[in-house]
Amino acid sequence: QVQLVQSATEVKRPGASVRISCEASGYIFVTYYIHCVRQAPGQGLEWMGVIGPDGSRPIYAQKFQGRLAMTTATSTTTVYTGTVYMDLSSLRPDDTATYFCVRERHGGVFDFWGQGTLVSVSS
Amino acid sequence: QTVVTQESSLTVSPGGTVTLTCASSTGAVSAVYYANWFQLKPGQAPRSLIYNVTNKHSWTPARFSGSLLGGKAALTLSGVRPEDEADYYCLVRYGGPWVFGGGTKVTVL
Repeated sequence: QVQLVQSATEVKRPGASVRISCEASGYIFVTYYIHCVRQAPGQGLEWMGVIGPDGSRPIYAQKFQGRLAMTTATSTTTVYTGTVYMDLSSLRPDDTATYFCVRERHGGVFDFWGQGTLVSVSS
Repeated sequence: QTVVTQESSLTVSPGGTVTLTCASSTGAVSAVYYANWFQLKPGQAPRSLIYNVTNKHSWTPARFSGSLLGGKAALTLSGVRPEDEADYYCLVRYGGPWVFGGGTKVTVL
C-alpha cells in the first residue's frame, strides 16, 4: 500500500538548518510529484514547494526561495521506493510548525499524506 | 501576492447542508486551477477529499461534493454528521506554485 513516512521530531536553534525526510513506498516513485506543506501552531496550511518525480525542477513558494531545498533519492533496487528530502535553512522561531509531505499525480491529484514532522525552533 | 479566500467559519446542524467556497484574488476559479479540498482535524494529517474541482477519491464519503459556484470552487457537505466537524482547506494552482486558502472551520451544532 502507498505510504509516506516522515522523519522524527526536530528541535533546532535559530539560524540552524533542518532536514526532513519523506520515504515513499508502495507505488512507482518516479510517477508522482511530492509537495511540502506546513502548519504552524494555530495557523492554516501553507504550501512550501514541490519537486518533480525525477528530482528535477523544484518549485518553491516565493516566501521560501533561498531557504528551502527539495531533493530526491531513488532506490537502486526497486522502483517502488524513494525518498524526498526537505532542507530548510536559517531557521527562525516562526518556522516552528508541523511539516507534511503529500503526493500529487500530475494534473493536480493530491492523495496520500505523510504523518507530519514537528520542527520546533527555539533559543 | 495571490490570496485564496475561504469563509473563516460556518456552523451547520446535523443532517444539514453547508457549502464552503474558495475564491482567488486573480479572478474566477476555473478547472485550470486544479482545485483540491482537504479535511484537517486536530493532531491528524490532512485528508484529501476532492481533486480537480469535482472528483472524489475512493475514500471520500458520498456526502462531500465539489463544484464551481459563481467563479469560486465550492465544497458542499450534505447530510452532515458530527464527525464532519473539522477545518477544510482548498488548494489551487497558479502555474507552477500552489496556494492554500485560509481554511474554514466547520462546526456541527
